[in-house]
Amino acid sequence: DAGVIQSPRHEVTEMGQEVTLRCKPISGHDYLFWYRQTMMRGLELLIYFNNNVPIDDSGMPEDRFSAKMPNASFSTLKIQPSEPRDSAVYFCASSLGAPSGEQYFGPGTRLTVT
Amino acid sequence: AQKVTQAQTEISVVEKEDVTLDCVYETRDTTYYLFWYKQPPSGELVFLIRRNSFDEQNEISGRYSWNFQKSTSSFNFTITASQVVDSAVYFCALILTSYGGSQGNLIFGKGTKLSVKP
Repeated sequence: DAGVIQSPRHEVTEMGQEVTLRCKPISGHDYLFWYRQTMMRGLELLIYFNNNVPIDDSGMPEDRFSAKMPNASFSTLKIQPSEPRDSAVYFCASSLGAPSGEQYFGPGTRLTVT
Repeated sequence: AQKVTQAQTEISVVEKEDVTLDCVYETRDTTYYLFWYKQPPSGELVFLIRRNSFDEQNEISGRYSWNFQKSTSSFNFTITASQVVDSAVYFCALILTSYGGSQGNLIFGKGTKLSVKP
């Protein structure tokens, strides 16, 4: 079975540009999570969805960040405009049945904003 | 507030040695789950184990074992006869299940970097 798929794997962009990260969860999973990993802050939850509905977005750093899940097999995390401090690895994860279930992570997208 | 502490930042061992990675957590909730994840140099996060707060039985999976002790709020991870392929950063994490808490929020420790030398 395919795991969580993320694209792109690497993204380099200039400050001020819009960045869109994409995620396809494991088929059948009803929870989807976006995390960010930095050296300073470690791994932190940005937002999570249940059945395509955002449940908790308290971790989204500011209005420049937005996330959508138009259907059960696709989610996007958008940063507009991007800033150098957004440079991080962004992970998408999915789980089945409960947010406390086993969360399976994608390979991550390494974002560099210059 | 919830917190996960992995006091060991880095550990270096020689192949075939046993190694224990410590994890101490803080929560006032009585229902929660604890996790361990492995992050190899390639960067992905690999799920290792999930443990319910009501289940204090130790778990063994091949060379891996976990010791959960609620009395000391610890969930330690032991690798027996370590191998070079075990070299990675290991994360301990906590998630609450009671309504009203951040149910989806996996709270991660800072991680322990394990280096296994041949």
